[in-house]
Amino acid sequence: AQSVTQLGSHVSVSEGALVLLRCNYSSSVPPYLFWYVQYPNQGLQLLLKYTSAATLVKGINGFEAEFKKSETSFHLTKPSAHMSDAAEYFCAVSETGGFKTIFGAGTRLFVKA
Amino acid sequence: DSGVTQTPKHLITATGQRVTLRCSPRSGDLSVYWYQQSLDQGLQFLIHYYNGEERAKGNILERFSAQQFPDLHSELNLSSLELGDSALYFCASSVSSGGASTDTQYFGPGTRLTVL
Repeated sequence: AQSVTQLGSHVSVSEGALVLLRCNYSSSVPPYLFWYVQYPNQGLQLLLKYTSAATLVKGINGFEAEFKKSETSFHLTKPSAHMSDAAEYFCAVSETGGFKTIFGAGTRLFVKA
Repeated sequence: DSGVTQTPKHLITATGQRVTLRCSPRSGDLSVYWYQQSLDQGLQFLIHYYNGEERAKGNILERFSAQQFPDLHSELNLSSLELGDSALYFCASSVSSGGASTDTQYFGPGTRLTVL
């Protein structure tokens, strides 16, 4: 069965600092992996997705994530945090041929001025 | 704006009641997904419909049911409501030919259900 673990329910960074949000997955078949962002009082929006092409995936708003099979990880990074990045971030996994997407518990990112 | 619409935005009701949440997918999308988001359970996948047919079930209670109509809008019916059903209910849609594997899901703004 597939699952997703997001390490850290809250992450706080200073504006301009590196953002690193951690995600580890478990899947019995090659996974597809996603990062979504949720701003307050809004639905989720796709940031980026890994679909077995390049292991380094670039997304919107300057975010990127690297798929590391040996570590079963798909961590999200951004070189320089902006105040507007403050939101909740969800990592998700689906399996090849599957119909379900399983979401992690989410990590709330705080950005300090 | 994702193009997915959900009504109503807020719903307050009492225990034991029944409610219906409505979702209209993006134009051209054939798949609709329902999720429940609560503080204690996080974001839980409930059910997926593709072109009117149920494709996958997640952690959906027997008191809950859903359907997708010929015009592709979907309704989530929640009955015998309990306090613990209070949550945000999201609908998402995708163009999907049937598999959710690589599809980008576009989420609606959600319906906030409060059960008193």
